[in-house]
Order: sequence, then C-alpha cells, then structure tokens
Amino acid sequence: SAVISQKPSRDICQRGTSLTIQCQVDSQVTMMFWYRQQPGQSLTLIATANQGSEATYESGFVIDKFPISRPNLTFSTLTVSNMSPEDSSIYLCSGNSRSQETQYFGPGTRLLVL
Amino acid sequence: SQQGEEDPQALSIQEGENATMNCSYKTSINNLQWYRQNSGRGLVHLILIRSNEREKHSGRLRVTLDTSKKSSSLLITASRAADTASYFCATSQAAGNKLTFGGGTRVLVKP
Repeated sequence: SAVISQKPSRDICQRGTSLTIQCQVDSQVTMMFWYRQQPGQSLTLIATANQGSEATYESGFVIDKFPISRPNLTFSTLTVSNMSPEDSSIYLCSGNSRSQETQYFGPGTRLLVL
Repeated sequence: SQQGEEDPQALSIQEGENATMNCSYKTSINNLQWYRQNSGRGLVHLILIRSNEREKHSGRLRVTLDTSKKSSSLLITASRAADTASYFCATSQAAGNKLTFGGGTRVLVKP
C-alpha cells in the first residue's frame, strides 16, 4: 500500500494570500488526486493531477484558483490562491496505481482562512 | 455532484452492538470503497468491493453490494468505542480512477 504524506498539516492564513500544499507518495503511483472537505461535509474532488501536464479539473474548480503541479510520479502540489474564509477546509491528496484499485489518502491539510 | 447518499447520517449505539450503514449511488461502477475518518483527520481505507462481488469480509467488517439496486451496506459487528468515527462510501467508475463520495455516516459508540 502507498504511504502518503502532506505538508503542512495545518495552517491559518489571511484573506487574499495563497498557500501551497505538498503531497509526497512513497511509491510510484499512476493516479494522484486532490480533494476538498468543507467543514462537516463529505469529500469533493478538485482535480486529477497529471504528470508533466495540466491537471484535469472538476466542474466548479478552476486552474487560476487551484493551480496544481505534478513534476514526477511521486510528488504533487496544490495551491489555494487568493484565499477567502470560504476556502477554509481540509485538503486531501490521494493516489493509486492502475493495477491497484485501492485509493490511499494523505493525512490532510487543515486550512483556516481569517 | 455527490454520487452517493448515505443512510443514516448519524448513528449512536452501545459498545458491543452492531452498526449498519447504507450507501446508494446513481451510475454504474467498477468498484465501491469504504473509508473511516476520525475527527477530521485523513481517511483510512477499510474495504473495497468490486462490481462483480456481492459480499466481502474483513475482521469485524462486512460489506455487501447490490448493483441492481445501486446500493451497498457496511456492517460493523461487536462495535467498540474506538469505532467512533465518520464512515464514507466512495465509488469509482473505472479501476484506479477518481472517487465520488457519499455524504457519510457519523457513528458514535458509547462505552
């Protein structure tokens, strides 16, 4: 099974600033994803992080707000840009290989925007 | 949009009792996965059931899948206080692909 780490684990940010979250997987995975979990809610997919190319965003999420990079098979970043209090959420990355259906999640980054 | 709905939204039981929660989904799937989340932390993978499977067991967990009704259930037997958590189902339309989550069930196991 893949072990996934995220940095930072939590942060408190000011309105209008940006935060970059890092996700590191201990083994090569084909697929990496970023999810958002708003307070008291379930998880919603933000985008699929594609290696070496632009991420594939879900409806309601745009690259200007959530730029994503994936320079190699084991690392990805998600930036939350020009933050507002509505961006206060837990952001989770996940990954799996096509040969392994189980999708593993990182511990999440808890973001509070003031 | 959310694929699945979970029922009930919240469940409170005594230690030792069984806990059952249900998940419904709308489109055809390749597999369905159940996760546990403690106090807003990361998701712990519990069990995966493929669309051609009807039942799977893992320790005190039993999962069923009825593709004709587009529904799944998770049973936790002989619950413990440590089982207190939120439980989510998630479906994938292709192996290794993105997940669509249900709304979750908050389970409280009272000692």
